[in-house]
Amino acid sequence: DGGITQSPKYLFRKEGQNVTLSCEQNLNHDAMYWYRQDPGQGLRLIYYSQIVNDFQKGDIAEGYSVSREKKESFPLTVTSAQKNPTAFYLCASSAGLGDTIYFGEGSWLTVV
Amino acid sequence: KQEVTQIPAALSVPEGENLVLNCSFTDSAIYNLQWFRQDPGKGLTSLLLIQSSQREQTSGRLNASLDKSSGRSTLYIAASQPGDSATYLCAVNSGYALNFGKGTSLLVTP
Repeated sequence: DGGITQSPKYLFRKEGQNVTLSCEQNLNHDAMYWYRQDPGQGLRLIYYSQIVNDFQKGDIAEGYSVSREKKESFPLTVTSAQKNPTAFYLCASSAGLGDTIYFGEGSWLTVV
Repeated sequence: KQEVTQIPAALSVPEGENLVLNCSFTDSAIYNLQWFRQDPGKGLTSLLLIQSSQREQTSGRLNASLDKSSGRSTLYIAASQPGDSATYLCAVNSGYALNFGKGTSLLVTP
């Protein structure tokens, strides 16, 4: 199937631990994105990448890190520096920056 | 910074009604505007994308319009069905990524 795959669907993290969320796409898209969604809030941009080996900070990048070593993969690491990491994380991709953006099914992260 | 507002925040209608969801944005310098649907606990499904040079787009019972100069877009849903119940999100692309509104939560009752 073509699309965007996020894993894991649910993840629990202890305070002080780093966790990595996986995002893989087989759409041959150049651009990829990470968004965070909190209850009652709109989606907020964490990081985005236009091409391999390049990425830019979004509106709420503090406490997060990414890499883009392969076109199809854009993992997000939530570090212990992120003060309120419990949220729903959504990965997305598009052919280019002005094209239709498609989303994965999301990953729920809970800090315990 | 681009601000996107959606009105109403929630809407409940009986099955069969036509309805309009509203989206406004503060900066008219946009590349495009995209409407999404989100079911509870799920990712976003793209419904319609309107390029900045277009005035409207249609897909089945959905019609989206764009008035860039006034910073407004509407999503029209004809003959609503219970399966249309979801949150509808408007997002504006101002050059590098999407800026989202908080959504309209729609409930269509049988």
